[in-house]
Amino acid sequence: KQEVTQIPAALSVPEGENLVLNCSFTDSAIYNLQWFRQDPGKGLTSLLLIQSSQREQTSGRLNASLDKSSGRSTLYIAASQPGDSATYLCAVRPIRDDKIIFGKGTRLHILP
Amino acid sequence: DVKVTQSSRYLVKRTGEKVFLECVQDMDHENMFWYRQDPGLGLRLIYFSYDVKMKEKGDIPEGYSVSREKKERFSLILESASTNQTSMYLCASRVGQHYGYTFGSGTRLTVV
Repeated sequence: KQEVTQIPAALSVPEGENLVLNCSFTDSAIYNLQWFRQDPGKGLTSLLLIQSSQREQTSGRLNASLDKSSGRSTLYIAASQPGDSATYLCAVRPIRDDKIIFGKGTRLHILP
Repeated sequence: DVKVTQSSRYLVKRTGEKVFLECVQDMDHENMFWYRQDPGLGLRLIYFSYDVKMKEKGDIPEGYSVSREKKERFSLILESASTNQTSMYLCASRVGQHYGYTFGSGTRLTVV
């Protein structure tokens, strides 16, 4: 059964630093992987979607990579800002099941 | 820009009431989903629908039902609300099975 893990659960970094959030999954048979952002008490905002045939996707200061063979994805945030503070979740779409599987998220706090 | 709209941000209902949570998408998406999100448990799938009049049970359908009479609208129904249904409810949609998800802003439901 597919499992998605995000470590660490929480992270605090000073403003301006570049940082990497990690997502690992146990079964490499996936269609795609999606990164989301969630602000407290709000819904999920899609950041990046990586199809299984892709290695990475970029949007502004965000870059997401995918290594299916090792079961890992990273979300790179450049020049972090206090407005980046939020919980970041990754979700995979397995090939064998149409239900996406979410990680528990990493709660990111950017220190001004 | 694509949009998934949940009709209420906050709701307070009494135990035993029948509760309707409404979700509307303006993207002509085929698939729609209802999740609940609880601390420590993450997102859990309640029901989903691949097309009008169709519905499928997710991982935790007990105590809930759904209605999809029109393509753009997917309603979650709590037949008799209970305190253990206090949660954040999130609606999502997608074009089709291999595409990414778009989420609404969530409804925080409190059952007293």
